[in-house]
Amino acid sequence: QKEVEQNSGPLSVPEGAIASLNCTYSDRGSQSFFWYRQYSGKSPELIMSIYSNGDKEDGRFTAQLNKASQYVSLLIRDSQPSDSATYLCAVNPAQGAQKLVFGQGTRLTINP
Amino acid sequence: DTGVSQDPRHKITKRGQNVTFRCDPISEHNRLYWYRQTLGQGPEFLTYFQNEAQLEKSRLLSDRFSAERPKGSFSTLEIQRTEQGDSAMYLCASSVGTGADTQYFGPGTRLTVL
Repeated sequence: QKEVEQNSGPLSVPEGAIASLNCTYSDRGSQSFFWYRQYSGKSPELIMSIYSNGDKEDGRFTAQLNKASQYVSLLIRDSQPSDSATYLCAVNPAQGAQKLVFGQGTRLTINP
Repeated sequence: DTGVSQDPRHKITKRGQNVTFRCDPISEHNRLYWYRQTLGQGPEFLTYFQNEAQLEKSRLLSDRFSAERPKGSFSTLEIQRTEQGDSAMYLCASSVGTGADTQYFGPGTRLTVL
């Protein structure tokens, strides 16, 4: 079992709709969770961080964390073509030092 | 631009050659990380430094790989006797080293081994 799992996609969403991206993790003691956006050929760019159960909103983005289910999600409201990218879920595992463990990423395409 | 810089941005080399990459972190950041990313995969952790001390190395970091961070500022990652399997994007990230400790990535160095 991979430490962090994401559906690789591609996920296709019409412009203006809500895009929902999901991630599960295996280390129950994990404390810090991050969503990065990565455009083709570029490096990961931080979108959201979340540390407590529940929702965290930042503009059009909402991160959701459920530690009991070991599940993290990212919702993108009013999706724009510029949101088309690969979204990486990253977890700071409890047993590791400060490293991040990444999922393989979900490729999201927003269709105009 | 996160403030983390990497040099070079692209490197093409022949199998068996040595290559060295440089990373300059955000100036007030104490921690510096190296990751490797291949096509279609998420970044994989290689190693990290707290100031000048290398505190963790992944099993991915074979004997051909070495990293340094003299004086706790910039870092170098050297790959000796490169192999075609080393072709990847090498990413550097830095973080403050306290609190939430969010990692910010540089633009990466894309290595192609022919």
